[in-house]
Amino acid sequence: GQQLNQSPQSMFIQEGEDVSMNCTSSSIFNTWLWYKQEPGEGPVLLIALYKAGELTSNGRLTAQFGITRKDSFLNISASIPSDVGIYFCAGLSGGSNYKLTFGKGTLLTVNP
Amino acid sequence: EPEVTQTPSHQVTQMGQEVILRCVPISNHLYFYWYRQILGQKVEFLVSFYNNEISEKSEIFDDQFSVERPDGSNFTLKIRSTKLEDSAMYFCASRGAGSSTGELFFGEGSRLTVL
Repeated sequence: GQQLNQSPQSMFIQEGEDVSMNCTSSSIFNTWLWYKQEPGEGPVLLIALYKAGELTSNGRLTAQFGITRKDSFLNISASIPSDVGIYFCAGLSGGSNYKLTFGKGTLLTVNP
Repeated sequence: EPEVTQTPSHQVTQMGQEVILRCVPISNHLYFYWYRQILGQKVEFLVSFYNNEISEKSEIFDDQFSVERPDGSNFTLKIRSTKLEDSAMYFCASRGAGSSTGELFFGEGSRLTVL
């Protein structure tokens, strides 16, 4: 099946720092999604990307859909303690069933 | 804001017992999904459901699993005879009919512990 390689696995940063994480795949995806998961909760959609090369922002979050359609990155600027959580990329390869393939996640810890 | 709700939030069961996990998708959504997340691992697709039938399932979704939409609001996942390796967080998700995107909305999950 399709696999997404997400890195880094974890990050420990100081409040105020910028963060960058990315996902790569050997397969092409038509849509890239970034989710955040907090303890005991389900994934919450942060950003959705629909076109190769697209750069989209949501507040302090910026994500890009790679031009080859095989990668995406997520940047968080000026991190704050509530940014703590696990960030997952997810790819959608098309078809009518919208089956998402998830990356393994990046655990973000922000020290105040 | 409309949301996907799941019950129970946590269920502990003995190996071999049947378990039913329940979900109430967002009311005007027509596509429904179950995903699973084993502790510390990534979220994995189990099954998608549309128009009262399974549209796709993964290799994880074997004969022990079944899904049902018994009425107009609930969407259930049944595990007939639980195994230790079924212990995981199970997430229900739904998607709107008119959406051409992959924007799935997830519930908060049901944690299943099989002893």
